[in-house]
Parts: sequence; C-alpha cells; structure tokens
Amino acid sequence: GENVEQHPSTLSVQEGDSAVIKCTYSDSASNYFPWYKQELGKRPQLIIDIRSNVGEKKDQRIAVTLNKTAKHFSLHITETQPEDSAVYFCAASTPEDMRFGAGTRLTVKP
Amino acid sequence: DGGITQSPKYLFRKEGQNVTLSCEQNLNHDAMYWYRQDPGQGLRLIYYSQIVNDFQKGDIAEGYSVSREKKESFPLTVTSAQKNPTAFYLCASSILADSNQPQHFGDGTRLSIL
Repeated sequence: GENVEQHPSTLSVQEGDSAVIKCTYSDSASNYFPWYKQELGKRPQLIIDIRSNVGEKKDQRIAVTLNKTAKHFSLHITETQPEDSAVYFCAASTPEDMRFGAGTRLTVKP
Repeated sequence: DGGITQSPKYLFRKEGQNVTLSCEQNLNHDAMYWYRQDPGQGLRLIYYSQIVNDFQKGDIAEGYSVSREKKESFPLTVTSAQKNPTAFYLCASSILADSNQPQHFGDGTRLSIL
C-alpha cells in the first residue's frame, strides 16, 4: 500500500521568511495530492491540492510542486505570518485510498 | 466545514465500556471516513464507507466498529477490545471515494480513559 513520509516534523521560521515542507510517496498509482492545515484543537482544512497532470500550482502565498518521477511533492509558503503557525499534513491518493503524512508543526516567530 | 458534525467534542470511557462517536454530514457526500490522530503519527484510517450499508476496514480497525444505515450518518463505536483508545478521532467525507476528491473533516472528538 501507499506510504507517505513527511519532513521536517517541526519547522520554525521568522515572520516574512519562506517555509518548505516535503513529502515522498511510494505508490506510483497516486495521482492526487492535497495539503491540509490543522490549527490547535481544530479540524484539518484543505489549503491547496495538486493532481498528477500538473507540476506546480500557486494560490497567493502558497505553492505546491510535484515531481512524479521522483515521487515527491512539496509545499512552499512565502512571506510567512504568525497565523500560518499550525500543523500541516500532506496526503497522497489513488482512486481507492488516501494516505497522510505524519505532519509538520510550523511555528512562525513574530 | 459546517456540513460535518461530530459529537460529543469530549468523551470519557470507563474500563470495559463501549462508547459511540457520532458523525453526521449534510453535504450529500457518498464516502465517509474515520481517522484516529495520535501525536506525531498523523491520521490513521480506522474504517471507511463508500455507500450505504457497506463499509471497509482501514489500517487500525481492531477494537472499533461502524455502521452506515443512512447516507448522512457514520457512527463509530470504540469497544472494550480497544485497549488504548485515548486519541483524537476525526470523521471526514468526500463526494466519491474513487474520484480523487478532497476529504472534508469534522471538528473531532477527543476520547479519554477514566
């Protein structure tokens, strides 16, 4: 089955800096890659997703890149703000199955 | 998403007791999921259901049971056979299980042992 690894587990940046979170997956059949943000005590919320026919997608300060050959994808947050502090989860999905990474706790220091 | 409601928010279980966590959605989603979240381990799939009256085991189904009698409802029972039930439980739903759509999550239930 699919195995998703996510790094780093914790990340601390200064406000205004960029943050990058990386994930790798094992199942070449995976073709959908969502990213979720979970604030403390709240539900995970979808922030951006990418499908396998696209190499990069941007939404304001957030971007995701996908390298299908290498089976890895990354989340990039630019101009970080304190409200970006949260746990971020990546996921890789085949039509039958979605698997999540272990999460990255991002702290943005003012 | 206001369309998925989990209750209760906090739940306490005594030794030998079964407890049921509620999950209701009004999004008309076909697929529903239950995940367990422990610190540092991400989301682990307990059970999922693609249609009414059908459900499948996930990676950690032992000690849990579910039912899907209505499209809107997917309750999870944590049985006494689950020896380490303390965790945060998340319910999710998606339009179709096989169409690579995002999952939408409820607010979660935090279960603790008394």
